[in-house]
Amino acid sequence: ETGVTQSPTHLIKTRGQQVTLRCSSQSGHNTVSWYQQALGQGPQFIFQYYREEENGRGNFPPRFSGLQFPNYSSELNVNALELDDSALYLCASSLETSSNEQYFGPGTRLTVT
Amino acid sequence: EDQVTQSPEALRLQEGESSSLNCSYTVSGLRGLFWYRQDPGKGPEFLFTLYSAGEEKEKERLKATLTKKESFLHITAPKPEDSATYLCAVRGLTGGGNKLTFGTGTQLKVEL
Repeated sequence: ETGVTQSPTHLIKTRGQQVTLRCSSQSGHNTVSWYQQALGQGPQFIFQYYREEENGRGNFPPRFSGLQFPNYSSELNVNALELDDSALYLCASSLETSSNEQYFGPGTRLTVT
Repeated sequence: EDQVTQSPEALRLQEGESSSLNCSYTVSGLRGLFWYRQDPGKGPEFLFTLYSAGEEKEKERLKATLTKKESFLHITAPKPEDSATYLCAVRGLTGGGNKLTFGTGTQLKVEL
């Protein structure tokens, strides 16, 4: 059984650019959630995808968008990057939307300059 | 809106010195309270889920307890390898899906 993987590990972008982050769910999991974790803070919920549909969203602007693919892997896209978008981006997979056990990947460290 | 407050922000212990971390929460209909461990630069590692007041769970030197307003993570005879940030999160009825609301964590340092 493979765990949650994310790519890339680190990324440096310039303000105004666009970025795509990727996540592969743990084997058998059909639900993916994305979180943003600023330095010294707890993770903040961005959104969740279940069977390729968005299933809940936190207080993030529309320039944060996502996709989930038939194999349950997922992407997080951020347009018009701002300096405050610098953070660790985490994805977490679970078996179903009602599952209380979410398993996190190692994260992608995004730096916006 | 669901809220989680953790205390203390940082804790330094000597090896073998037991202590407790606190997580206070407000949530609209608790569907689960979670404890995670996070090492620097890594993703959170799942530890426990608690569902109702009075529930307790244990894993090695860690024991989590739950009341209607707070949860405690008790660390018995800690070792240096227990050094990490411990995150508490809740899942409530609002927010859709299985959104977790996290606290800011307690940074634990265990010294020899």
